[in-house]
Amino acid sequence: DTEVTQTPKHLVMGMTNKKSLKCEQHMGHRAMYWYKQKAKKPPELMFVYSYEKLSINESVPSRFSPECPNSSLLNLHLHALQPEDSALYLCASSLETGGRSPYEQYFGPGTRLTVT
Amino acid sequence: AQSVAQPEDQVNVAEGNPLTVKCTYSVSGNPYLFWYVQYPNRGLQFLLKYITGDNLVKGSYGFEAEFNKSQTSFHLKKPSALVSDSALYFCAVRDDSGGYQKVTFGTGTKLQVIP
Repeated sequence: DTEVTQTPKHLVMGMTNKKSLKCEQHMGHRAMYWYKQKAKKPPELMFVYSYEKLSINESVPSRFSPECPNSSLLNLHLHALQPEDSALYLCASSLETGGRSPYEQYFGPGTRLTVT
Repeated sequence: AQSVAQPEDQVNVAEGNPLTVKCTYSVSGNPYLFWYVQYPNRGLQFLLKYITGDNLVKGSYGFEAEFNKSQTSFHLKKPSALVSDSALYFCAVRDDSGGYQKVTFGTGTKLQVIP
């Protein structure tokens, strides 16, 4: 199984709402990522988890809160978002984050988030 | 910091013709380079990567990439384009700067294959 799943596919939320995005993989990967992607732009890295520990936070505002409950699951908790946070949120996983051999990332289909 | 550049926002090619999507890189140390493809409203899919060794790397869906150290390029190629190859293509480089490892993506090139 080489699939990364993400739920929900679409999400519309108001600026005062709290919602969560979910990501799951069963490839035995120990690195998981959250990216934000605006239309026709490259993905922007937000967070990296390595062996269930947060290893990279790319100065993301605190209204985005990641969580890695176990090696297969990754959540992104959203609270008090702004309209400019509307984007495609992509989850990815890789065998590890690096070392001598660079590992490719497997991406989920994304969650299309609209903040009203 | 490591970086990649994709000089073309869009590439148009007729179906059946060879295609090339360009990428140049700037790294200190060994370059670890990737190509990903993104179809509309989808996540990215890994096509191929260069670590070391042969300069011609073969990947998924008939794509290949040529690593050229002297020109610092890693162009994506396919001998015969299909309409279904129309998508957004990203070149990427592993970036070890800042004390941790991540992947930095280029700006993307939209490939349009014309029937």
